[in-house]
Amino acid sequence: GAGVSQSPRYKVTKRGQDVTLRCDPISSHATLYWYQQALGQGPEFLTYFNYEAQPDKSGLPSDRFSAERPEGSISTLTIQRTEQRDSAMYRCASSPGLNQPQHFGDGTRLSIL
Amino acid sequence: ELKVEQNPLFLSMQEGKNYTIYCNYSTTSDRLYWYRQDPGKSLESLFVLLSNGAVKQEGRLMASLDTKARLSTLHITAAVHDLSATYFCAVTNAGKSTFGDGTTLTVKP
Repeated sequence: GAGVSQSPRYKVTKRGQDVTLRCDPISSHATLYWYQQALGQGPEFLTYFNYEAQPDKSGLPSDRFSAERPEGSISTLTIQRTEQRDSAMYRCASSPGLNQPQHFGDGTRLSIL
Repeated sequence: ELKVEQNPLFLSMQEGKNYTIYCNYSTTSDRLYWYRQDPGKSLESLFVLLSNGAVKQEGRLMASLDTKARLSTLHITAAVHDLSATYFCAVTNAGKSTFGDGTTLTVKP
C-alpha cells in the first residue's frame, strides 16, 4: 500500500476484555514495529518483526500482550484481559530493513473503561 | 538500559530566530534518527545520522552527531511558523529503537 495503515483508529472497551489491533505495513517493507505512546511522551518500543520472525519482544509489558505476523506482512497486536493502564496510542511502523528510517501509521487510540 | 534525553522539552521562539535542540543518549548505538510529529498526526522521518561527525541539512533544519559525546543536535535557522511541531530523536540498537520524550516547538510571529 501507499502507507502504513492501522485499524481501528479508535477502540473503547471495558476492562477485562481482549482487544486486537491490526497493522498493514508498506508492502515492500521487511521490518515491522509496534510502539505504545502515552500522551506527551515518545513512542515506547514493544516488539518488532523481520518478515515473520520476531527477534525482540522485550518491550511487551506483560504476558497479556502478544503480536503476530504469520505471513510476513499484516501484523496484529493482541492485549488480553485489558486493564486501564493499557490505555494509550498504539503505533505501528515499517521500514525496508533493519535500522532504516521507519514509516509510521496513524495509530490506534485505545481507551479502557 | 539505553536512555535518550532531549532538552528542552518545550521551546517557544520567535520567527526569524535560531535555536538548538539537544539529544543525549546513554550507550553506543547503531544510528540516530530525528522525527517530526504534528499535533494529532503520526511521526515523519527527518534525518538519519550514521557516523561520528555526520551532518544532514534540509531547509532550515540541520542535524549533527557526535558519537564520542553521545550527543546529537537539531539546529533551527531563522524559524518560521511551519516548523511548529514536536521533534523526537531516536536511537537504534539491533532493531530496537529508543525515543526521547520530544521537544515541542512553538514558533510565534
